[in-house]
Amino acid sequence: KQEVTQIPAALSVPEGENLVLNCSFTDSAIYNLQWFRQDPGKGLTSLLLIQSSQREQTSGRLNASLDKSSGRSTLYIAASQPGDSATYLCAVRSTGANSKLTFGKGITLSVRP
Amino acid sequence: KAGVTQTPRYLIKTRGQQVTLSCSPISGHRSVSWYQQTPGQGLQFLFEYFSETQRNKGNFPGRFSGRQFSNSRSEMNVSTLELGDSALYLCASSVGWGVTGNTIYFGEGSWLTVV
Repeated sequence: KQEVTQIPAALSVPEGENLVLNCSFTDSAIYNLQWFRQDPGKGLTSLLLIQSSQREQTSGRLNASLDKSSGRSTLYIAASQPGDSATYLCAVRSTGANSKLTFGKGITLSVRP
Repeated sequence: KAGVTQTPRYLIKTRGQQVTLSCSPISGHRSVSWYQQTPGQGLQFLFEYFSETQRNKGNFPGRFSGRQFSNSRSEMNVSTLELGDSALYLCASSVGWGVTGNTIYFGEGSWLTVV
């Protein structure tokens, strides 16, 4: 059974800091991994999608890496801003007949002005 | 282009009642999936539909059911509501299903409170 872990559950940093959010998963048999952002009371917004054959994806100040063999992914946020404050979730799509997305519980990020 | 639309956004039901939630995917998307989000359990997969067929299902009791129509719109139903069903129910859509590896897009969710 796939399990996705995100530690720590919460993080507070000063504005301007570069930061790394971690995600680990137990089963490396995945099609892809996706990072999402969720603002309070809202749905999820997709940030980056990494296919299992890829090592990283970049979008603006965000860079996500994937090491499938070790079951790890990181989301790098450069020059953090108060507007980056949100909960960040990673999810993996498992292979197999019952392919589904399994989510971590998220990291709640607070960027202090 | 319009995003994923979920209705209703907020609702309050009494234990024992049933509820139907609706989801309209992004135009051109044929896959719709549903998730339950609670503070304790996080986001949990309910089911996924593609071309009107349920492709897979999460570990929820049979009280939770869904369907997809020919226009890709989807509904989920929860019968005999329990207090523990109070949650944010999220719908997501994508162009393809499973192995296609498409980005999925979420709606704003339906907040269900069971009293």
